[in-house]
Amino acid sequence: GAVVSQHPSRVICKSGTSVKIECRSLDFQATTMFWYRQFPKKSLMLMATSNEGSKATYEQGVEKDKFLINHASLTLSTLTVTSAHPEDSSFYICSARPTDILSYEQYFGPGTRLTVT
Amino acid sequence: GENVEQHPSTLSVQEGDSAVIKCTYSDSASNYFPWYKQELGKRPQLIIDIRSNVGEKKDQRIAVTLNKTAKHFSLHITETQPEDSAVYFCAAGLSGGYNKLIFGAGTRLAVHP
Repeated sequence: GAVVSQHPSRVICKSGTSVKIECRSLDFQATTMFWYRQFPKKSLMLMATSNEGSKATYEQGVEKDKFLINHASLTLSTLTVTSAHPEDSSFYICSARPTDILSYEQYFGPGTRLTVT
Repeated sequence: GENVEQHPSTLSVQEGDSAVIKCTYSDSASNYFPWYKQELGKRPQLIIDIRSNVGEKKDQRIAVTLNKTAKHFSLHITETQPEDSAVYFCAAGLSGGYNKLIFGAGTRLAVHP
């Protein structure tokens, strides 16, 4: 149980285009999902907290108009990188927390490697 | 907000030796402390976690200790094996709901045969 998927696993896009990444909880419901960015040999940097049915909460320094997050259902959150630039190239990972006020664990997706040319 | 520091950044041990990774956190309200293992190009996998109501938890060769007074927690791996080689991340935060986890910088563990 507690499986999280991400799609696509890899994507290459041209500068100026937009890319959408999907995060799905396959066997549980998740009111809250988290989006992270990870640079090579670095830690997980939290970008935003995605809440089903409400606006995402962005961490300081993360441009909400550039990284659009939509959490339309209890099993799906999407991250759209708008007007992508080469510096947006990175490994993007989502995690999901089961919908339970007492829940502790976060389960991670396999990540999406974005390359902007 | 929460800040998590993790040491060492790299750790090299011989197979069969023990490995210890230490983390400190700043927010005394944090009550959940998971440890994740990440292999190259893969997702972080939860290997063990501890909640603030206990001081120690063990799962086979892996154990975690928590000192709430000092605000630090540690991961102990005994009888290390080459397949333990990976990056390990500690994290701290509050349980449930919208509460986020803050991750340490990671420790790259290398276990040499």
